Amino acid sequence: QVQMLQSPPEMRKPGASVKVSCKASDYTFVNFGVAWLRQAPGQRLEWLAWINPYNANTYSAQKVEGRISVTADPSTTTAYMELRGLRFDDTAVYYCARTELRLRYFFDFWGQGTLVTVSS
Amino acid sequence: EVLLTQSPGILSLSPGERATLSCRASQSISTNYLAWYQQKPGQAPRLLISGASSRATGIPDRFSGGGSGTDFTLTISRLDPEDFAVYYCQQYGSSPVTFGGGTKVEIK
Repeated sequence: QVQMLQSPPEMRKPGASVKVSCKASDYTFVNFGVAWLRQAPGQRLEWLAWINPYNANTYSAQKVEGRISVTADPSTTTAYMELRGLRFDDTAVYYCARTELRLRYFFDFWGQGTLVTVSS
Repeated sequence: EVLLTQSPGILSLSPGERATLSCRASQSISTNYLAWYQQKPGQAPRLLISGASSRATGIPDRFSGGGSGTDFTLTISRLDPEDFAVYYCQQYGSSPVTFGGGTKVEIK
């Protein structure tokens, strides 16, 4: 069964950075994309970024462009999302999710979520 | 970006009843690239339907999706106690992908 196992919750101060990991298992890592999304309290799900682990091509949402980096390590089948310059409104549950390797995709398997809290 | 509006916001029904959830898009979704997800408290979303009407692996046949263009529906033919949750639609016909605000199906 495909699994996406994310790193534990994090708490950061405004202006800091956070890096969330997503360990994929039970499928060929380089044959699928990995997307990052978040769900803030009371808000709808929001797509943040996507990476093709085969060639490391990435795309990110305009809202977080310049603050987000997504990487993938095929040797450990792990994807990473780093968000810099954290703000209070970055507080959310962050998810990784598997996609097909195409520009238009849905999310067939999800990680369990990582709560990132930004607080002073 | 494409705005998805889900209705109703809350649906109060009893087990065994039929649930019909709506998702309306601000513009036509190409190739019916619409998906539906179920989310229970404290859990990640689970894919139910892609391509507007194709059930994901392992999803019971009481779940069905339909519609085209700007209007889509998710129908649960007979509500099972495990079906009480929040449901989201997502379009992937235009970039960036976007989600609806959700419909909560609660026990009446």
